[in-house]
Order: sequence, then structure tokens, then C-alpha cells
Amino acid sequence: DADVTQTPRNRITKTGKRIMLECSQTKGHDRMYWYRQDPGLGLRLIYYSFDVKDINKGEISDGYSVSRQAQAKFSLSLESAIPNQTALYFCATSEWTSGGTGELFFGEGSRLTVL
Amino acid sequence: AQSVTQPDIHITVSEGASLELRCNYSYGATPYLFWYVQSPGQGLQLLLKYFSGDTLVQGIKGFEAEFKRSQSSFNLRKPSVHWSDAAEYFCALIASGGSYIPTFGRGTSLIVHP
Repeated sequence: DADVTQTPRNRITKTGKRIMLECSQTKGHDRMYWYRQDPGLGLRLIYYSFDVKDINKGEISDGYSVSRQAQAKFSLSLESAIPNQTALYFCATSEWTSGGTGELFFGEGSRLTVL
Repeated sequence: AQSVTQPDIHITVSEGASLELRCNYSYGATPYLFWYVQSPGQGLQLLLKYFSGDTLVQGIKGFEAEFKRSQSSFNLRKPSVHWSDAAEYFCALIASGGSYIPTFGRGTSLIVHP
């Protein structure tokens, strides 16, 4: 099983619908991130969490919300999806304490299409 | 604020040729630097990282990168490219002070011709 699992892997939805992307990890890392990938724009940070009670906005948080339900689970929600949120979304984890090196461990991505 | 620039959007090489992907950064001190690879349909995987010490670092799959402080660069190299190296490559930086949040470049797409 993958260390970082994202569901769903692919989703097509309509404008105005609420969408949740889920991420779970077995790495035991405290830090979790949601990134968005668009062609030519690289990875842009949406939200990040240092632990269950510490959630922070990234550079492009407008239109998104997150929930850290447990150390291992970090979900991303689009309350009312719009077409320019069509993108590939990645969840990632990292660890800086306990000998961690800051390396990011990524899920395989969730491709979201908003019609 | 820190930033990462990957000047080349696409690079095309022939199989067996050498490869160099460029990465420049902007940060006031020595950062932590990373190269990740994204194969088609996959998530990103770490190729190598630089924290301190020897400025030439070795990674997986035969890749290496050299940190040059004077040029604010961390270029990725491989002496002989294989068709399976075709992928998207991302350079990333973590500022050595603060919250240690990674900043990514926009990526370079590597195309390998037979």
C-alpha cells in the first residue's frame, strides 16, 4: 500500500458542486500539505498543517478549505467548484523532527475536472 | 521571500546524451535544495537533496546536482539519459529559517528522443 493515499484519483463535477478530496498517510508525519499543479505553473501551495490543531493558508487558499481530522488524515474541500479549479491536486507529507529531512512524500494525485 | 526559477520549460535530448537542468534560487542565506521527478501519471519522487557539506550531491537513478553559492544555482545533471528519464523535473527550496515550507519552481519537461 502507498504511504500517502489520495481519493478519488479522478473526479468530474459541475460548477457549483461541493467536492472533497481526501488524503491519508501511514508515514507518521506531523506535516501535511495540499498542492495544486497546473501546466506551466508548477506546484502551488493551497494549505498546510503542522499538526491537528495547526492549519495554515498557502499562496492560493481562496475557494478552498481543509480539515485535519487526525494526524493521518487531511482533506481538501471545494465548497462551490468553479471551472478554473480544474487541476491536478497533490497531498504530501514531511517531517522535520525525529531525524526527518524535510523531504516531501507525495500521493499519486487527484485529477479534478469542473465543467 | 524566497523563490525558485527553472529557466527551461522544455528540454529535448537524445537517448545517451548528457543532460543538465537548470535551477536558480533567490534567498538571503544558504537554503535546503531538492530535485523531484514526476513521471507521467505519478506523484513526485525525491531525486536528491542538498543541506550542507559537499556541494556535489548524488541521487537516485544516476542523477547528481551541484550547489554553487556564487551563482545561486543547483543544476541537475546526468551523464547519459535513458528513455525512461522522460518526465517533469521540479527544483524546490526550503528556507533555512522560518517554517520550512517548500517552494517549488515551475518545472522542466524532459523529452527524450530515441
